[in-house]
Amino acid sequence: NAGVTQTPKFQVLKTGQSMTLQCAQDMNHEYMSWYRQDPGMGLRLIHYSVGAGITDQGEVPNGYNVSRSTTEDFPLRLLSAAPSQTSVYFCASTTSGRVLPYEQYFGPGTRLTVT
Amino acid sequence: AQSVTQLGSHVSVSEGALVLLRCNYSSSVPPYLFWYVQYPNQGLQLLLKYTSAATLVKGINGFEAEFKKSETSFHLTKPSAHMSDAAEYFCAVNTGTGNQFYFGTGTSLTVIP
Repeated sequence: NAGVTQTPKFQVLKTGQSMTLQCAQDMNHEYMSWYRQDPGMGLRLIHYSVGAGITDQGEVPNGYNVSRSTTEDFPLRLLSAAPSQTSVYFCASTTSGRVLPYEQYFGPGTRLTVT
Repeated sequence: AQSVTQLGSHVSVSEGALVLLRCNYSSSVPPYLFWYVQYPNQGLQLLLKYTSAATLVKGINGFEAEFKKSETSFHLTKPSAHMSDAAEYFCAVNTGTGNQFYFGTGTSLTVIP
């Protein structure tokens, strides 16, 4: 049971380049989300999905796209990288349904630098 | 609306001293509360969670937290700090009516030998 996996672990991009951060989970969770972590700002929600084919914006969605074609995968796309997107990105998978409290499981993160 | 405030972005304690990390929450409904720990260059790991079963919650690595509704607080404590406790700690809230978690800005704990 791998939990939540993310690739790559590290990435350096030049301004204007695009790329996709991969996220996969093997726990059959409907709810998945992407956060970015910046010093002094904690975790901020970028996009989330409540199931295959359903996505929505979080707190800081600009410059990012997501899609959810399967329950397992939730990739995050940077359309045209900017230095302000230098950050650590975490994917999370969350339980849902009648069992409370919900629990959130995190991937190991992707450290992105945009020059 | 839900929000979490962590007082003190940096806390330093001596090895063997009490650790106290503060978390206050704001929630329109009774919340579920969580503490996560993040070791350097790693993801977030669940330390403990409050589920309303008991106000004093014990977690991993000797940490515990007490839910105080009157103070809207969920402070994290450990009686005796160890060098391996040096990490970033995040408090989070979830209402149980949706899947979104709201995080505090984090507290970086330094343990001085």
